[in-house]
Amino acid sequence: QKEVEQDPGPLSVPEGAIVSLNCTYSNSAFQYFMWYRQYSRKGPELLMYTYSSGNKEDGRFTAQVDKSSKYISLFIRDSQPSDSATYLCANRGGSNYKLTFGKGTLLTVNP
Amino acid sequence: EAQVTQNPRYLITVTGKKLTVTCSQNMNHEYMSWYRQDPGLGLRQIYYSMNVEVTDKGDVPEGYKVSRKEKRNFPLILESPSPNQTSLYFCASSSTAGWGSYNSPLHFGNGTRLTVT
Repeated sequence: QKEVEQDPGPLSVPEGAIVSLNCTYSNSAFQYFMWYRQYSRKGPELLMYTYSSGNKEDGRFTAQVDKSSKYISLFIRDSQPSDSATYLCANRGGSNYKLTFGKGTLLTVNP
Repeated sequence: EAQVTQNPRYLITVTGKKLTVTCSQNMNHEYMSWYRQDPGLGLRQIYYSMNVEVTDKGDVPEGYKVSRKEKRNFPLILESPSPNQTSLYFCASSSTAGWGSYNSPLHFGNGTRLTVT
């Protein structure tokens, strides 16, 4: 079983839709959970970060972590065409500095 | 502007011809890392460096070399490239203080697309 599983999509939604992106992970040592966003021809950039279970909100984005089921989600409200990108979940745990990335989900928001 | 700069952005080469992809960061970061990104496989770590003169293997180090002689630079060397090294490569850096926190994320370059024929 891979450490981080992410549905690669692609996912296509109309503008204004609520988007749900999900990852599962297998390593109980993971403590930090992040979402990176990658636009075409660009490097990933950190979008959301959370340390514990529960929800974290930042504008139209909500990151949700359920450590009991090893499930992390990113919700995008009122999605915009500018949200079209690949979204990568990333987890980190233990004393090393390694991030484990999911494969990424390609999202297209159609105007 | 804080950034990670990779060069070149695009590179086409032939099997066996040694090449170097440069990476430089201007944020005084201790930690630097190289990734390759392939369809269906995602981002995989090649090598990383915790500080000057300290490097270690990631998940897919075979066929690659790195060096960290200066804090700002972390070149990726392919001594004898092969077609299976055709990929999109990213360099990234981070401060190790509070690493992984929102205030210390990984900063990525814009990638180097390498084709080995």
